[in-house]
Amino acid sequence: DQQVKQNSPSLSVQEGRISILNCDYTNSMFDYFLWYKKYPAEGPTFLISISSIKDKNEDGRFTVFLNKSAKHLSLHIVPSQPGDSAVYFCAASAVGTGNQFYFGTGTSLTVIP
Amino acid sequence: DTAVSQTPKYLVTQMGNDKSIKCEQNLGHDTMYWYKQDSKKFLKIMFSYNNKELIINETVPNRFSPKSPDKAHLNLHINSLELGDSAVYFCASSQGQTYNSPLHFGNGTRLTVT
Repeated sequence: DQQVKQNSPSLSVQEGRISILNCDYTNSMFDYFLWYKKYPAEGPTFLISISSIKDKNEDGRFTVFLNKSAKHLSLHIVPSQPGDSAVYFCAASAVGTGNQFYFGTGTSLTVIP
Repeated sequence: DTAVSQTPKYLVTQMGNDKSIKCEQNLGHDTMYWYKQDSKKFLKIMFSYNNKELIINETVPNRFSPKSPDKAHLNLHINSLELGDSAVYFCASSQGQTYNSPLHFGNGTRLTVT
C-alpha cells in the first residue's frame, strides 16, 4: 500500500528552465515532507523539507510547495542545471510514528544542456 | 571522510547462503536504519535502531537479523538467501527519533541472489 506516489517516472528539461517534480500522498496524518536527490550508485541525499504548517519552503534554486487540501507537494528547481540530473524521491512522515518515513518511487530528472 | 559507509557495495551469492552487510556512521547520530529498494525502486524501511535498541521492525522475514553493537554500527545478517532478496539495501542514520530528522544514507549494497 503505497502512501506516497510519484506518478512521473521521468522528466526532461532544458538547462536554464524550470523543473517541476510532483508528489501525491494519501495519508492525511503526514505532516513533514522531504525531497531527496539520488545519483547513480550513491545513496539518496537530503535536499529540502517542509512542515505541514507551511505551504512553501525555499532554499536557493529549490522550492517545495505543499497543498494539504490536495495532498500534493511539488519541487521546483529554477534554473535547472545539468548537475541536477538525478532521481528525486519525495518522502513523508507523521508525528507519533517516530522516524518512520514513507518514500515515493522517484522521478528521474534529465537536464539537457 | 564518508558519513555513512556500508560494505560491501556489491554482493553476489547463491540461494541458501548466509551473508552480512556492515554499516558504520561517523555523524554522531543515535538512530540507524536499514532500507530496502526493490526492483520497482520502492524504498521501504526494514529496521530502525536507537542507541542499540530496536525501534522499528517492519514485516520482514525473520531470516533478516539486524545487530547493533554500538550506536555507530548497524549490521544486517541474512540467512538462507532467496531470489526475492535481490535488491539494493541502504543503511541510514539520523539524530533522534523525531519525525522531522532527515535521514543520511549510505551508498547502498546491491545484493544479487542467483
